Amino acid sequence: QSALTQPASVSGSPGQSITISCTGTSDDIGGYNYVSWYQQHPGKAPKLMIYDVSNRPSGVSSRFSGSKFGNTASLTISGLLAEDEADYYCSSYRTHGKAVFGGGTKLTVL
Amino acid sequence: EVQLSESGGGLVQPGGSLRLSCIASGFTFSAYAMNWVRQAPGKGPEWVSGINDAGDTTPYTDSVKGRFTISRDNSKNTVYLQMSDLRGDDTAVYYCAKAVRTDDIVAFDYWGHGTLVTVSS
Repeated sequence: QSALTQPASVSGSPGQSITISCTGTSDDIGGYNYVSWYQQHPGKAPKLMIYDVSNRPSGVSSRFSGSKFGNTASLTISGLLAEDEADYYCSSYRTHGKAVFGGGTKLTVL
Repeated sequence: EVQLSESGGGLVQPGGSLRLSCIASGFTFSAYAMNWVRQAPGKGPEWVSGINDAGDTTPYTDSVKGRFTISRDNSKNTVYLQMSDLRGDDTAVYYCAKAVRTDDIVAFDYWGHGTLVTVSS
């Protein structure tokens, strides 16, 4: 099963906003509103940041937001903080009862 | 406090078997789907399998279908992953993850610390 496509890396300065894209097909992102975003720090388990395209779990900062247009989902982080530096992964439901992750994006806070 | 604790990982030879367990606490276990997600060294996460609240819906990723079996015992707050015919590319940290609802294989709001499975001769 091919992964969703994410940029390998993005960077931004503290206080800035960045957006990470996640591109799939009509069999996954484009066909369902089941897109999640995870943050992962080194040596830690992933942490859910966004689910169902744009919903934030309780306790997740409002600086994190999600959206979708066509076959591409996006995660936007506003007011970048040093602690946001991590790997970010998107995931989506895929036709016929599968789930697929993206390849991951390394966020560097300059 | 929600806690998920995996066990059962280790070193196994190619073709061998292992059973992973994940015991949960801090929430109504029988009301949520549970999933297994693995992460090979230096790679991103890969969804492996899920099981709905009742235990009667069990999807798998294609690469493990026919070799892995997920199950749950709601009386013991435990989810299992029986793995057989293990291959080198099954080597990974295996995470147990709680879904946000009864039947979900995408949104996981709590994760365990993971258990390492190494397949090697």
